[in-house]
This record gives sequence, C-alpha cells and structure tokens, in this order.
Amino acid sequence: DAMVIQNPRYQVTQFGKPVTLSCSQTLNHNVMYWYQQKSSQAPKLLFHYYDKDFNNEADTPDNFQSRRPNTSFCFLDIRSPGLGDAAMYLCATSRTSGSSEQFFGPGTRLTVL
Amino acid sequence: DQQVKQNSPSLSVQEGRISILNCDYTNSMFDYFLWYKKYPAEGPTFLISISSIKDKNEDGRFTVFLNKSAKHLSLHIVPSQPGDSAVYFCAAILQGGSEKLVFGKGTKLTVNP
Repeated sequence: DAMVIQNPRYQVTQFGKPVTLSCSQTLNHNVMYWYQQKSSQAPKLLFHYYDKDFNNEADTPDNFQSRRPNTSFCFLDIRSPGLGDAAMYLCATSRTSGSSEQFFGPGTRLTVL
Repeated sequence: DQQVKQNSPSLSVQEGRISILNCDYTNSMFDYFLWYKKYPAEGPTFLISISSIKDKNEDGRFTVFLNKSAKHLSLHIVPSQPGDSAVYFCAAILQGGSEKLVFGKGTKLTVNP
C-alpha cells in the first residue's frame, strides 16, 4: 500500500543534542510537509518542499532545518533541541499544492530530557 | 492567534444519533476547508472537504456545511457509530493556491454504544 512512513515513531533525545527525524513516501507526491503538534494544540506547519523548493514558515525557529535528498525522503533536523521542542512531529505529502488532500504519516513523538 | 477555532474540546454522542462538530474561522481569505479524523497512534486522515463556492458537501454519512457569512462550518455524522470515535480536526487553506493547512485544535468525539 502506498503510504507515508515516519521513523522512528518515538524518539528520546537530550537537551541540546541534535536529532533527525525521517519521513518517506511511496505516493510519489510532489509536496512534503513537516508539522509540529504540541499536546492539545493544533498541528502547526514548520515548512514544506514543493519538489526541491524549500518553503519555510516565517515563525519557524532557526533551530529547525529540513532536507529533501530525493522525491521519496524528507528529514527534519533539530540542531539543539530544547524542552519546548517536545512534541509530535507529523510528516505529510500532497500531489500538488493548493486545494489538495494531504496524506499524513503516523508521526514521531519527540521527548527531550 | 488561532485563525481556525474548534471551541469544543470534546463531544459525546449515543450510537445512531447525529454528531455535529463545529468550526469557526476568522480569516475571510480562506477558500477551502477540510476535515481530518485522527485515531490514537495514527496520523490524521482526510475525511471530507468543501470549497468556499459551495455551502454543502455530502459523502455517505458525512456532510459538511459552510456558512461563509458567519465564517462557520460544521461536520454532521449521521448515524454515528462507535468506530467514529476519534479526534476531528478542521483545517483551512488560503486563496491563491497556498500549500498551507491551518488547523484547529481538534474535537474528541466519543460515540457510545
């Protein structure tokens, strides 16, 4: 089945220790997104790639970076995680931009000790 | 500043009855609205959507109503089933082909047998 896969599902890191979350898709979609969702909050878009074009949200901290080496994979790098970065990180894809359904992965829950 | 608001964190309904989930938005530039459903330990999955040029869209047991003048939309589930128990997120997209989904905080629906 075509899908969006996130690894790992649970990630524990230490304060200040860089961490990378990964996302892969078998849907061959052009657009890949990273969302952050804190407890009882709405998912918040961090950035997205349209093919190789990177689009950062204005309020995404510099601490968060992303890489998309090919169509299938996208990575979220947190350079120096703080306690406030503990959250669920959701990856999503869509075939095109605009009014297009987004397909979500199961998420990676990040804990910062 | 929440542009998409789901003011009811939770809703409990009896099996067979109607579930009505509400969503309000503040930005009149939104022109496409979506509902996502999320089970525990899974990513959100697309449920139903509506364009701002319509006031109703129906798909089986699910109907979304849009009242543009009131900046309000609602999701009706009839009849409700225990398997519908999940968190429901309302989301909106800005005019102009933006890729950005703006989510509400979600409403947890419990359908009791």
